[in-house]
Amino acid sequence: GAVVSQHPSRVICKSGTSVKIECRSLDFQATTMFWYRQFPKQSLMLMATSNEGSKATYEQGVEKDKFLINHASLTLSTLTVTSAHPEDSSFYICSATREGNSPLHFGNGTRLTVT
Amino acid sequence: QKEVEQNSGPLSVPEGAIASLNCTYSDRGSQSFFWYRQYSGKSPELIMSIYSNGDKEDGRFTAQLNKASQYVSLLIRDSQPSDSATYLCAANTGNQFYFGTGTSLTVIP
Repeated sequence: GAVVSQHPSRVICKSGTSVKIECRSLDFQATTMFWYRQFPKQSLMLMATSNEGSKATYEQGVEKDKFLINHASLTLSTLTVTSAHPEDSSFYICSATREGNSPLHFGNGTRLTVT
Repeated sequence: QKEVEQNSGPLSVPEGAIASLNCTYSDRGSQSFFWYRQYSGKSPELIMSIYSNGDKEDGRFTAQLNKASQYVSLLIRDSQPSDSATYLCAANTGNQFYFGTGTSLTVIP
């Protein structure tokens, strides 16, 4: 089956620093990648949609200057949380899909803790 | 507004019973439908895809799709404690994915 690799799985950083999360589709070319955030006991929240070579589309309320998304190739997307604050502490999950009616495949997620 | 709705539960079933999870969607243009399982603290895992009306079986799981009623369901036969998780229903419309809020299932030993 399709595999999406996400790194790191867990990161602790100090307030004010930046953190980069990588998402790779290992065995397929991902035309579209999605970034989600999930707080404890809450639903998935879509943050942004990215297509290779173009700017990401951010959901309402998500600051594009704070959450920088780069989709440099058909197999790699990165999310950088800039100037992180404790309220950014959450579970960040990337996902990827091929074209058409293919399902969404999720990475294992990154648990970010900002101290 | 494209919506996918699920009963949030929690749903409790005894071990060995059939668990029935339901989902409705609002956009008739949705082409494909998926069920994901999410264990606490983990990311969602794809367990079933269904694209046409009728039933699709995979092991203990059966997905059912009724496009006329805009209804998708998931049956889990011979439920096991390891099936205890949150189940997410998703609809795909034009490469956009719409998720329900999930149904929490507990299988009681």
